[in-house]
Amino acid sequence: EADIYQTPRYLVIGTGKKITLECSQTMGHDKMYWYQQDPGMELHLIHYSYGVNSTEKGDLSSESTVSRIRTEHFPLTLESARPSHTSQYLCASRRVGEQYFGPGTRLTVT
Amino acid sequence: GENVEQHPSTLSVQEGDSAVIKCTYSDSASNYFPWYKQELGKRPQLIIDIRSNVGEKKDQRIAVTLNKTAKHFSLHITETQPEDSAVYFCAASITGNQFYFGTGTSLTVIP
Repeated sequence: EADIYQTPRYLVIGTGKKITLECSQTMGHDKMYWYQQDPGMELHLIHYSYGVNSTEKGDLSSESTVSRIRTEHFPLTLESARPSHTSQYLCASRRVGEQYFGPGTRLTVT
Repeated sequence: GENVEQHPSTLSVQEGDSAVIKCTYSDSASNYFPWYKQELGKRPQLIIDIRSNVGEKKDQRIAVTLNKTAKHFSLHITETQPEDSAVYFCAASITGNQFYFGTGTSLTVIP
């Protein structure tokens, strides 16, 4: 079934650790996005990609990196996790029109 | 960059009444305006969208209006039902590359 997947769904990790949040979509969408969202609050764009080998920074990008080596895969890496990174991370994709969101990764940094 | 403001932040209505949520944007180049519904613990889902060449769009009980001159757009939900209770987000986009979201409206429909 065409969808967008995120792993892990929940992650608790210690300060200073390096983590990678995975996002994959099976819809062949060229545009992909990462957002940070505290519960019930607005979505903040972290990174986005127009297609393979294309990445752009959003408003909250300074402490993370992304890569887009394959159309379907758009991982987000935090080099050194901090308690301020505790939040929900949503991945999304689109071709034309609506964005489809993944189920999210809820990250807690202790 | 674009700045999207959304009001009200919370809204309670009686079942069957109408609900209106308003958003303003700052960049006149924005040309695509989606609305998302997010239920507790779930992912945002598109409920309706409008492009800048259209002034109004309807889908059953949901409608969106756009005033390009004033740079504002609104979501209208008629005959509200308890299952409409959720957080609603507006967004604005220029050519669909970056999306700028409003701060969300928590809608409660009281049975």
